[in-house]
Amino acid sequence: ETGVTQTPRHLVMGMTNKKSLKCEQHLGHNAMYWYKQSAKKPLELMFVYSLEERVENNSVPSRFSPECPNSSHLFLHLHTLQPEDSALYLCASSQDTERSYEQYFGPGTRLTVT
Amino acid sequence: KNQVEQSPQSLIILEGKNCTLQCNYTVSPFSNLRWYKQDTGRGPVSLTIMTFSENTKSNGRYTATLDADTKQSSLHITASQLSDSASYICVVSAKDTGNQFYFGTGTSLTVIP
Repeated sequence: ETGVTQTPRHLVMGMTNKKSLKCEQHLGHNAMYWYKQSAKKPLELMFVYSLEERVENNSVPSRFSPECPNSSHLFLHLHTLQPEDSALYLCASSQDTERSYEQYFGPGTRLTVT
Repeated sequence: KNQVEQSPQSLIILEGKNCTLQCNYTVSPFSNLRWYKQDTGRGPVSLTIMTFSENTKSNGRYTATLDADTKQSSLHITASQLSDSASYICVVSAKDTGNQFYFGTGTSLTVIP
């Protein structure tokens, strides 16, 4: 995709590792999101950024640490994860955080914690 | 409690056949409802968005309906193709609840030749 890209696409890490997920949007949007998608569960919103300011944090454990250096880039820093954190992590962007604006999703990073 | 439930959980149909996916929600007050298609290993892609006043909206072979009174929506796929095999996710947003989107667990559709 040229809209929202995510790297890496797949990641395997041990519980003591530190890694980062990267998201980049090429749409000129002001809002970016991190979601967690686990099998047979609804998407879970983790973090919302608007113009690089965090506007929402849905009680996510501190082992997940987001960073938004500018409106085009979003990172998710991971450390001391648990096996239950294994999931597909999706990044999305939208023109604004207002609910009428469509969210455009990246392809996701498939994370496996061993 | 705001919830979105989808049925069936999974569905297998023959290529060329039609099918209908259901979405029931308890989200209130209602703002809009979206249907997304998610191919395996990809992010969701929006198919339709419907507001309170819209009863039906089409996008090619995809037609979504909305009954705001009964809080039900359906996604009808006509003349299915192999490329329709994917997960279809219903997402409802509410007014006055910040920026919360309520996601269903999705219907996994498999189209076989």
